[in-house]
Amino acid sequence: DTGVSQDPRHKITKRGQNVTFRCDPISEHNRLYWYRQTLGQGPEFLTYFQNEAQLEKSRLLSDRFSAERPKGSFSTLEIQRTEQGDSAMYLCASSSGGGINQPQHFGDGTRLSIL
Amino acid sequence: GQNIDQPTEMTATEGAIVQINCTYQTSGFNGLFWYQQHAGEAPTFLSYNVLDGLEEKGRFSSFLSRSKGYSYLLLKELQMKDSASYLCAVRDQAGTNKLIFGTGTLLAVQP
Repeated sequence: DTGVSQDPRHKITKRGQNVTFRCDPISEHNRLYWYRQTLGQGPEFLTYFQNEAQLEKSRLLSDRFSAERPKGSFSTLEIQRTEQGDSAMYLCASSSGGGINQPQHFGDGTRLSIL
Repeated sequence: GQNIDQPTEMTATEGAIVQINCTYQTSGFNGLFWYQQHAGEAPTFLSYNVLDGLEEKGRFSSFLSRSKGYSYLLLKELQMKDSASYLCAVRDQAGTNKLIFGTGTLLAVQP
């Protein structure tokens, strides 16, 4: 169990640029989640995958945001035409499918800063 | 709407006991989780409650009252390394897996 891995850890970009983040979940976990966290706040749910299927999307996920999990393993989150308000920590989590009490395990996140 | 309330900050003394409260109002309820988050790090899972009562795991215990929409996390024998943010999160519907988080309680443990 190597934990949830996210890349990059930090991303600084100019407003209007596109960015893509990657998440590698714990290998046997079939469920993968993306959250966004700003300073002093708890994580906010963005989207959820079970295997390769994207089963739920938050209203926070505007049309500039897209997430994929093409082979049911790693996932990518892309933000197009970034805006100042996109500056945040983007957290990925994964969990196994067995039982409702299975916790979500989080990665260390990608911190996005928009100049 | 969905609302989860926690105190913003708490201070406690090394070796003491501290209780962090969480109240929730959600459209449904299918379990409550507590996570610990050190600055700049990932949230790490502490405990899970779905039935009323107390769950104990070493120095950490968590309590749930579904009728009151209330939970608390109890930390005993506080250590300096327990200084962190503690996040309360509710899974609001059976069949969905998203968590709704509170803003977190920043705990400072003083010598």
